[in-house]
Amino acid sequence: QQQVKQSPQSLIVQKGGISIINCAYENTAFDYFPWYQQFPGKGPALLIAIRPDVSEKKEGRFTISFNKSAKQFSLHIMDSQPGDSATYFCAGEHGTASKLTFGTGTRLQVTL
Amino acid sequence: EAGVAQSPRYKIIEKRQSVAFWCNPISGHATLYWYQQILGQGPKLLIQFQNNGVVDDSQLPKDRFSAERLKGVDSTLKIQPAKLEDSAVYLCASSLRVSFNSPLHFGNGTRLTVT
Repeated sequence: QQQVKQSPQSLIVQKGGISIINCAYENTAFDYFPWYQQFPGKGPALLIAIRPDVSEKKEGRFTISFNKSAKQFSLHIMDSQPGDSATYFCAGEHGTASKLTFGTGTRLQVTL
Repeated sequence: EAGVAQSPRYKIIEKRQSVAFWCNPISGHATLYWYQQILGQGPKLLIQFQNNGVVDDSQLPKDRFSAERLKGVDSTLKIQPAKLEDSAVYLCASSLRVSFNSPLHFGNGTRLTVT
């Protein structure tokens, strides 16, 4: 299975700070890159997604930056809040197959 | 809309026993997925159904795992016999169709512990 490498494994950010999570992929057939947010005891939920023909996508406090040549993308959470404390997964998808390959996850803790 | 329903919520069994998980997807969703999430890892696809047909089961350990989707709606995933390494959360997800514009909606999973 083609990998999606994610870092860091865990992250502690103060309230109001910027959280940054990085991912790198190998499969150049991926054409859709979603981020999922998972709270303890819950299933992952789609947070934001980007296609590789766009270098940046912003939705509220969440921004994806995409570097196609480097095969890397990142999630930025601006003005991080305690309610953002969760595990975040990046993923790659080959659109016609609609099959997600997930990263290993980043556990984010936002402190007061 | 009602979400993806899964049961049971938790299951503890001994190795070599059998276990079954049930999933009811969002109404009208044609595509159904079973993922395995081992503690500290991202979800890994086990099997994908389109209506009641299998689209991809390449990562399903077929010697012990089986899955079916009844009448293109509910689905069950079975493990027989279970091994210690099967301890994980089993997530069911559904989507309206096979397309990048059709996001996956996950259930809350079944946490399996094999002792």
